[in-house]
Amino acid sequence: TQLLEQSPQFLSIQEGENLTVYCNSSSVFSSLQWYRQEPGEGPVLLVTVVTGGEVKKLKRLTFQFGDARKDSSLHITAAQPGDTGLYLCAGASRDYKLSFGAGTTVTVRA
Amino acid sequence: GAGVSQSPRYKVAKRGQDVALRCDPISGHVSLFWYQQALGQGPEFLTYFQNEAQLDKSGLPSDRFFAERPEGSVSTLKIQRTQQEDSAVYLCASSLIRGELFFGSGTQLSVL
Repeated sequence: TQLLEQSPQFLSIQEGENLTVYCNSSSVFSSLQWYRQEPGEGPVLLVTVVTGGEVKKLKRLTFQFGDARKDSSLHITAAQPGDTGLYLCAGASRDYKLSFGAGTTVTVRA
Repeated sequence: GAGVSQSPRYKVAKRGQDVALRCDPISGHVSLFWYQQALGQGPEFLTYFQNEAQLDKSGLPSDRFFAERPEGSVSTLKIQRTQQEDSAVYLCASSLIRGELFFGSGTQLSVL
């Protein structure tokens, strides 16, 4: 059972389009992380957000943490084929323990 | 190597067989985690070590699962009497005490 719900489950878009992935929970987290996982590999950390309402930008990626620290979103501007992958959000409720969502599979078509 | 190394990459086991999965963390990383990732799902926490001490094993699905890290570096996840529901990718991750998690590529276990 996953504490974090991600939507949509699958997303297929054309190169150059924008996309948003959502991560929601009924639990409050001390921090929330976003990972990208490619087939046959482990997840790779993209960003950690800690403060409610925080917005972080990483090139074409924008991450937002909800005011109540229960939800988050990832927005990609002008998506490229290299953005293709499984995007996972993970909430930290203790110093070490992460609870992952089921992930959103993003496919960017050239 | 510079990253977390897991072996084997793939393991096929007959139901009832015992398996051992190995994880070599990044040198100097105090914390080590095991996660289980079923097909189409996110990773699920199994267990956590700080050096050689297993501080949390609350995620281990049954007493058939056992993990150890005797010298505070390499860790082994052992599954006894494997069942079909054990089929999954087993991910190992390491970090400094409160730092970024670095994941290995995982071991894909298929139980027939």
